[in-house]
Formats: sequence, C-alpha cells, structure tokens
Amino acid sequence: QVQLQESGPGLVKPSQTLSLTCTVSGGSISSGSYYWSWIRQPAGKGLEWIGRIYTSGSTNYNPSLKSRVTISVDTSKNQFSLKLSSVTAADTAVYYCAGSTVVRSWYFDLWGRGTLVTVSS
Amino acid sequence: DIQMTQSPSSLSASVGDRVTITCQASQDISNYLNWYQQKPGKAPKLLIYDASNLETGVPSRFSGSGSGTDFTFTISSLQPEDIATYYCQQYDNLPPITFGPGTKVDIK
Repeated sequence: QVQLQESGPGLVKPSQTLSLTCTVSGGSISSGSYYWSWIRQPAGKGLEWIGRIYTSGSTNYNPSLKSRVTISVDTSKNQFSLKLSSVTAADTAVYYCAGSTVVRSWYFDLWGRGTLVTVSS
Repeated sequence: DIQMTQSPSSLSASVGDRVTITCQASQDISNYLNWYQQKPGKAPKLLIYDASNLETGVPSRFSGSGSGTDFTFTISSLQPEDIATYYCQQYDNLPPITFGPGTKVDIK
C-alpha cells in the first residue's frame, strides 16, 4: 500500500523559497504508475492544485503559480519535491502531496497527511 | 480557468436525512467532475469520479449525478461519520484542475 509523507520547514520568511519533500513508501516512485502532485489549502479555505510531475520528469503547473514553482523527483530517494519562490503571507497553507494513477490521472486517490507552512518574519 | 461554485456553503441536517449539494461549472465540463470528502484535520478522500461513479470501498449512500455545467452530490441517509466538508473538482480544461469552494455538512 503506497503511502505519502510530507516534510520540510514549518516556517518560512517572506521573499524566501518554500521547500517541501514528499516521501513515497510502499512502492517505487519510478514505477511509472503515478503522477505526483502538490495541492495546498489555506486555513479555512478551499483546495488549490499547484502542479504535478511524472517519473520521466515531465511537469504540469498551475498557470497562476508557474513563475514561482518547481517540482522535481529524486528516484534514488523515492521522493518528489516542491520549491515555491518569493513567498508571501498568501502562501501560508497546509501543503499536501498527492498521487493519481496514470489511467486516472486527475483523480487524487493518494494523499499525504499534509504539512502546515507559515510565511512570517 | 474554469470556475466552480457550490451550494450551499454549509448545511445542518439530522441523522437519516437526505442531503444534496450542487456544484456548477462556469462552462461545459462534460462529466469530468470528481467529489471529495474532507474530515477536519485530514486529507481529502475521493468519493465519486466521472460525476457519478462510486469509488471502490465508498458506502453506497453516497452518489453523484449531472453533466455539462450542473452536478449534484447526494448522501441518501446522513450518518454521524459523514460530518465533513465536501468538494467538487473539475478536470476538463487543463491546466489547472480546479476545486469548488466546499460545502460543510454538520449534524443538527
């Protein structure tokens, strides 16, 4: 059973870069079976898809965040990562990593528990 | 981007009640719509895909219908464990996929 776990700093200063990692356990990230996404949720608000990566390294990003986002994969560590640059308080949110199978590529049926990132000086 | 709206934003109902939530897309998305349940402090869980298909393992009291721009999510008999926020998600016009603002369901 594949499981996901986010990790990274819980506090980031404004204008700096937010960096998070999602560790995949119970399966190989390079199996080719999944797309790997990041989704965020500000407190008390809805869900926003940030972007996704396939094991080949191919990425799709939300156009509203594209200029600040980089998603990468490290198959040797069975991890994928999110970098969000030039953060502001508006980027404060719970960040989830999520997986969707290749055949159901926009159905998020795997989720991490989420990690709260606060942007504050 | 396709905008998704949901109504109501919140509701209170009694155990055993039939609960209906609507989701509307700003343009035709065919049946490219999913429904998720999010319990407090937890990640979302996929319940319904392609507007009307029940995800494996999800109780049959949950159902979905609709196509085009108007969709409905129904809990046929509300249970205490159904207390959650429910989100619709479109995946027709990509990127990005977008979620509705959510409907919070409480027990009366």
